[in-house]
Amino acid sequence: DADVTQTPRNRITKTGKRIMLECSQTKGHDRMYWYRQDPGLGLRLIYYSFDVKDINKGEISDGYSVSRQAQAKFSLSLESAIPNQTALYFCATSSGGGSYEQYFGPGTRLTVT
Amino acid sequence: DAKTTQPPSMDCAEGRAANLPCNHSTISGNEYVYWYRQIHSQGPQYIIHGLKNNETNEMASLIITEDRKSSTLILPHATLRDTAVYYCIVRSRSYNTDKLIFGTGTRLQVFP
Repeated sequence: DADVTQTPRNRITKTGKRIMLECSQTKGHDRMYWYRQDPGLGLRLIYYSFDVKDINKGEISDGYSVSRQAQAKFSLSLESAIPNQTALYFCATSSGGGSYEQYFGPGTRLTVT
Repeated sequence: DAKTTQPPSMDCAEGRAANLPCNHSTISGNEYVYWYRQIHSQGPQYIIHGLKNNETNEMASLIITEDRKSSTLILPHATLRDTAVYYCIVRSRSYNTDKLIFGTGTRLQVFP
């Protein structure tokens, strides 16, 4: 089984709808991250969490919110989806504290029409 | 975090060594060089990292110049499965700064 899972894997939604992307991990890591990737570009950080009580904005947090329900779960919400939020979304985890490796999930492809 | 510069694309014949360069001329003393790769829209995969010494693992080798302003990732015997976008990332490794800042990377195409 995959260490980092994301649901749904694909989603098409309409402008103005609220949508939640979910991420779960079995690695026991404290740190979790949400990135988005637009075609032909690298990943950009949306939000990150160093533990259940710690949430931090990344470089492109506007229009998004997150919830860290447990050590293993980190959800990303789009309160009112807009077309320019169409992208590939990745969740990642790390053990932090100087760890050099982030483990990424398989991604969620979101299309906002 | 220091900015990195990579060529947008490279080709390599299967079985040959793939040498992917990265320029990071503004790197500071406490910043490490990391390499990740992304195969066809999958989640990025960690490859290797280093500070100033050359590093080797089962996937690749990392050569960092003595002045640390550039580095080269070497895949010693490239296979078709190595076709991917390779990202060179420079960041410090302190407790509160383990965020990754991705550029556009190098798209490596391995051909038969």
